[in-house]
Formats: sequence, C-alpha cells, structure tokens
Amino acid sequence: NAGVTQTPKFRVLKTGQSMTLLCAQDMNHEYMYWYRQDPGMGLRLIHYSVGEGTTAKGEVPDGYNVSRLKKQNFLLGLESAAPSQTSVYFCASSYWPPQETQYFGPGTRLLVL
Amino acid sequence: AQSVAQPEDQVNVAEGNPLTVKCTYSVSGNPYLFWYVQYPNRGLQFLLKYITGDNLVKGSYGFEAEFNKSQTSFHLKKPSALVSDSALYFCAVRDLTSGTYKYIFGTGTRLKVLA
Repeated sequence: NAGVTQTPKFRVLKTGQSMTLLCAQDMNHEYMYWYRQDPGMGLRLIHYSVGEGTTAKGEVPDGYNVSRLKKQNFLLGLESAAPSQTSVYFCASSYWPPQETQYFGPGTRLLVL
Repeated sequence: AQSVAQPEDQVNVAEGNPLTVKCTYSVSGNPYLFWYVQYPNRGLQFLLKYITGDNLVKGSYGFEAEFNKSQTSFHLKKPSALVSDSALYFCAVRDLTSGTYKYIFGTGTRLKVLA
C-alpha cells in the first residue's frame, strides 16, 4: 500500500515550457486535490475532483489544468509555465464524507526559470 | 467566509517543556478541525482531528488538541517537547459550505524545540 505518490519529485522548467504532474493513490478514494505551497501562505487549493471524470476549480486555478480519467490518478498540467508557478505542489486524496482525513503525497518541487 | 488563523509564525520551546501551537477558526456551523505536521522535504502528515464529542482530542506522537467553541480555538499541545518535534505545523478546517469539502489551511507555525 503506497498511499499517495507523486511524479516527478523535482523539475526545472524554462518559461513557456509545459509539463504534467502525476498523482496516484491506491486507497480507492473518491476525492483528490492539488495544492501549492508557498512560503508564508500555507497551502492553497488549485483544482480538485470529487470522482472519476469530474474536476473543479479551487482558489488559484489560473495557468493550470487537470484531468481525472481514472479514479486512482489525478494529473496537473501547466501549459505554459511562468516563474510565478515556482512552488511545491502537493496532491491529496480522501474518502467521502468530509470528516475523513486527507492523505498527502510527498510533493513535487518545481522551479520555473 | 471560512478561515483559519495561526497567529505565531514560529514557536520556540526547550526540550522537555510543554508546548502549545495556537489555532483559531471562523466557520459557519459545526467545525471539522484538523492538525497536520510537515517535516523538511516531506508531505503533510495527519496528527489529529476534531469532529464531535470530547473537546480534548488525542493524536499521534503524544500530541493532543483542545477544542474550545466559545473561543473558537483548537490549540495543539504536548506535555513534554522533543527535539524531533521540530517541524512546520498546519491547522485546517474542512469547508462544508461549498460542497467541495476542501481544507482551508492556516499559514503554518514553525516549531523549534531546543536541546
């Protein structure tokens, strides 16, 4: 049982390049989330999904897209990376109902030059 | 609007002394409150949660938290701090108003336990 895994662990991009971050969970969770963590700002929700084939915007969705084609995977895409997207990205998943705990992946550190 | 505040950016405590990390919240209805810890270069790890019931909640690694409805607080405590407790601590409330059930996180408090 690996829990929540994220790929890659670290990446350096040039401005304008694109990339996809992969999140996978093996706990059969319905809900999945993408957060970004920036110093002094805590974690902010980018996008989330309440089930396979569904996605929705969070607090800071601009510049990102997501897809959830399979229940266990949640992909975060950057179509044209900008320096402002330099951050640490965390994926999380949980069961419904809402008192259930969210489980977090180890994070992806992204540097956009 | 739902919100969480962690008023201290950093807390320093000597090893063996009791520690408190503060959290206050503002929510509509009953709060679902959580504490997470983040060690360097790691993801967030769940410590404890309050959903309902006893106001004193016990969690992992000897941590506990006290829910105080009148003061809208959910402070994290430990009777005797260890150097290994040094980490970044996040308080979070579950957003029950929008149907997303997402977390609203505080900005985090860095705990430094001095040997």
